[in-house]
Amino acid sequence: DVKVTQSSRYLVKRTGEKVFLECVQDMDHENMFWYRQDPGLGLRLIYFSYDVKMKEKGDIPEGYSVSREKKERFSLILESASTNQTSMYLCASSTRSGGGNTIYFGEGSWLTVV
Amino acid sequence: AQKITQTQPGMFVQEKEAVTLDCTYDTSDQSYGLFWYKQPSSGEMIFLIYQGSYDEQNATEGRYSLNFQKARKSANLVISASQLGDSAMYFCAMREANTDKLIFGTGTRLQVFP
Repeated sequence: DVKVTQSSRYLVKRTGEKVFLECVQDMDHENMFWYRQDPGLGLRLIYFSYDVKMKEKGDIPEGYSVSREKKERFSLILESASTNQTSMYLCASSTRSGGGNTIYFGEGSWLTVV
Repeated sequence: AQKITQTQPGMFVQEKEAVTLDCTYDTSDQSYGLFWYKQPSSGEMIFLIYQGSYDEQNATEGRYSLNFQKARKSANLVISASQLGDSAMYFCAMREANTDKLIFGTGTRLQVFP
């Protein structure tokens, strides 16, 4: 069964902490994405990666960085967490330019920064 | 710039009736794909339907159909014979072929009442 796994479902972190959100896929997908989802704002793209060590900024990269050292793993890093980064974070992966049901999502990581 | 617009924050429909969820998009690319996803309260993203920009016929998947009007850049989702289980958030998304970047709209919350 194909899968995108996000390591932590629920996290509570303190302001100023460094936070790592991990995402692993087992489908050998080239593309991986990080989104944050907030009520009324939908899913906003933070970063995406189309290959190992390659990354592109999405619409809201400020305050975030990413790492993709291996094809199957895409990490989202909050260098110094702030309360406005409290949100649900969703990871996704996809094949290159595929149509139909070719995008797979993790279950989401709920991050609260206090 | 690539953009997805969903202008209906919330919609109500009576059970067994049809409902249309609106989606307009903006892209300068000739080749792109349009997706609709359902997100129930559990948070998982469920793929519903896909339309490629070169597909001549509107996509259909069971009770879901996509009303694709390329000249108007609209890709509305039509759900026929609504069921109580259709109550959820619905997201329209687009992927450009030349970048593989995947972006989402702000979503429409559909509530089906008996």
